[in-house]
Amino acid sequence: QKEVEQDPGPLSVPEGAIVSLNCTYSNSAFQYFMWYRQYSRKGPELLMYTYSSGNKEDGRFTAQVDKSSKYISLFIRDSQPSDSATYLCATGLPSNTGKLIFGQGTTLQVKP
Amino acid sequence: GAGVSQSPRYKVAKRGQDVALRCDPISGHVSLFWYQQALGQGPEFLTYFQNEAQLDKSGLPSDRFFAERPEGSVSTLKIQRTQQEDSAVYLCASSLAMTHQYSITDTQYFGPGTRLTVL
Repeated sequence: QKEVEQDPGPLSVPEGAIVSLNCTYSNSAFQYFMWYRQYSRKGPELLMYTYSSGNKEDGRFTAQVDKSSKYISLFIRDSQPSDSATYLCATGLPSNTGKLIFGQGTTLQVKP
Repeated sequence: GAGVSQSPRYKVAKRGQDVALRCDPISGHVSLFWYQQALGQGPEFLTYFQNEAQLDKSGLPSDRFFAERPEGSVSTLKIQRTQQEDSAVYLCASSLAMTHQYSITDTQYFGPGTRLTVL
């Protein structure tokens, strides 16, 4: 079993839809959680990070963490064609190395 | 300023050849990471440098993989006797932080990757 599980999709939605992307993780010791966005043939770029249960909002994006159920979500409101990309959840532990553990990634297509 | 750069962007190698992949991190970034991303998968950790010291190489899949960062800036990932299963995108990331208790300074900035195809 992978430490972080993510539905690979693909997910296709019409422009303006609300998108929900989800991950589950197995290790209750994980303390911080991130969402990265990766456009085709580009490196991942950080969208949001959080290290507590609850919601964190940034513009059209909301990250949600439920540590009791080991579940993390990213919501995108008013989705735009420019949001079409692969979304990667990631987690890690405070450590000497800071290495990140990624989910498989969910490919999202927003159709105009 | 400039982000993380990687070269070459694409590399085709015949099975058994040696390859060297270069990473130029953001200037002043202490930490440098290498990840491997197979097609349709998320990145997987390979190795970590703090300045010139390689503190974690637990993700390197075999002794054919070797990484160095001799002067604490540019890093090279070398793969000897390449195999078809080595085909992947190799991502480099750098961050400002030296310790990793996670704050914004831990943000890892990724390069565009080197796409390696082994025939």
